[in-house]
This record gives sequence, structure tokens and C-alpha cells, in this order.
Amino acid sequence: AQSVTQPDIHITVSEGASLELRCNYSYGATPYLFWYVQSPGQGLQLLLKYFSGDTLVQGIKGFEAEFKRSQSSFNLRKPSVHWSDAAEYFCAVGSMEYGNKLVFGAGTILRVKS
Amino acid sequence: EAEVAQSPRYKITEKSQAVAFWCDPISGHATLYWYRQILGQGPELLVQFQDESVVDDSQLPKDRFSAERLKGVDSTLKIQPAELGDSAMYLCASSSTTLNTGELFFGEGSRLTVL
Repeated sequence: AQSVTQPDIHITVSEGASLELRCNYSYGATPYLFWYVQSPGQGLQLLLKYFSGDTLVQGIKGFEAEFKRSQSSFNLRKPSVHWSDAAEYFCAVGSMEYGNKLVFGAGTILRVKS
Repeated sequence: EAEVAQSPRYKITEKSQAVAFWCDPISGHATLYWYRQILGQGPELLVQFQDESVVDDSQLPKDRFSAERLKGVDSTLKIQPAELGDSAMYLCASSSTTLNTGELFFGEGSRLTVL
């Protein structure tokens, strides 16, 4: 069965510090991988996506993620966090073989302290 | 920029009442999804449409939930009767099978509170 694990429920970082949010997946097909961000009471905004090719992908707002097939991971990183990055982050996996529907992780809440 | 429209944004209802949510996907997007997001959890798929046909409704509680997309454009999700455990955010998303990037575009969601 498809599943996505985000091991950290909450993460707190200082403004200007680096960030890494972890994501592991279990999937029986060639995966597409996504990171979405959600501000309180809002819908989900796509940060970045991986389909194939270069395993390091760049997204909006200075985020990047690296796909590591051997570790079934797709961790999200940002070198310097801004207070406006405080939100909830969701990793998701999908594939054409499963009709492109996405399976989401439980999310990681990012808090930024000044 | 094209967006997925949802209404209402907020709905408060009493248990055993009926409630309905509406979604208008991005123009030209053939695939439409309804997700439910319980507070503190990730979104979970309720139903997926391809044009007007249901592709996957395996996680839809069919005794009380129904969804339709009669003309293959906008969609309605109905709950009757609502239960306390239905309190959640209901998210609609759409995607383009023409481009087939796998990316889902989400609306702002409809927040349901059942009292």
C-alpha cells in the first residue's frame, strides 16, 4: 500500500537558520513526489515536484528537495528560513499507475522563532 | 491566474442536518478530486472524477456522503446526515490530463464544523 511518513510533527528553527523536513515513502510504482505548504485555514500551495531526471529539484520561495531512491526519501531543505515560512508542510506521492491521485503525509508544522 | 473555486468557505451545522459543498475546477481540467483533511492530519482522498465519471470512491462513506459531477465541470459533495466526526476541511483539487504533470491544484477549502 502507498504511504508517506513525515516523522516530525513539529519543528522549530530560528530565523536565518537552515531547515530540513523529512519525508519517506512506500510506493509500489514509479513515484512522483511533491511538497505542498499550507497556511492556517488555507488550501495547499505547491512548493516543488519531482517526476524524473535530476534528483535535486528547486522550488518556489528558495526551497529545494532531493530524491534519494535508495532511501525512499524526498527531504525538503531551505538554507535560511524566514519568519513567513511558518506554516504546515506536506509531502505527497503519486503516480500515473495509480491514477495520479496523491497520498499525503501527516504534515510537519514549522515554527520560526526570531 | 486560474484557480479552483470552492464554496462555502465556512459552514457550521448541527448533526443530522444535510450539508453541501461546491467546487469549480480550473477550466479544462478533466480530473477533479475531493479530499478531507481532519485537523492535525494530511488530506485523504474521498473521491476522484475523470470528466463526469467516478474513478475512485473507495474511501467515500457512501451511507452518508455523495458526490456528483454531472456535466464534467463543477462538482458537489453532499453529506446527509452530518455527524460530529465529519468536522474537517474539505478540499477540492483538479489536474490536467492533457499535460499529465501529476500536479494537483487545490482550492481554498470548505471548513465544516458539526455541532
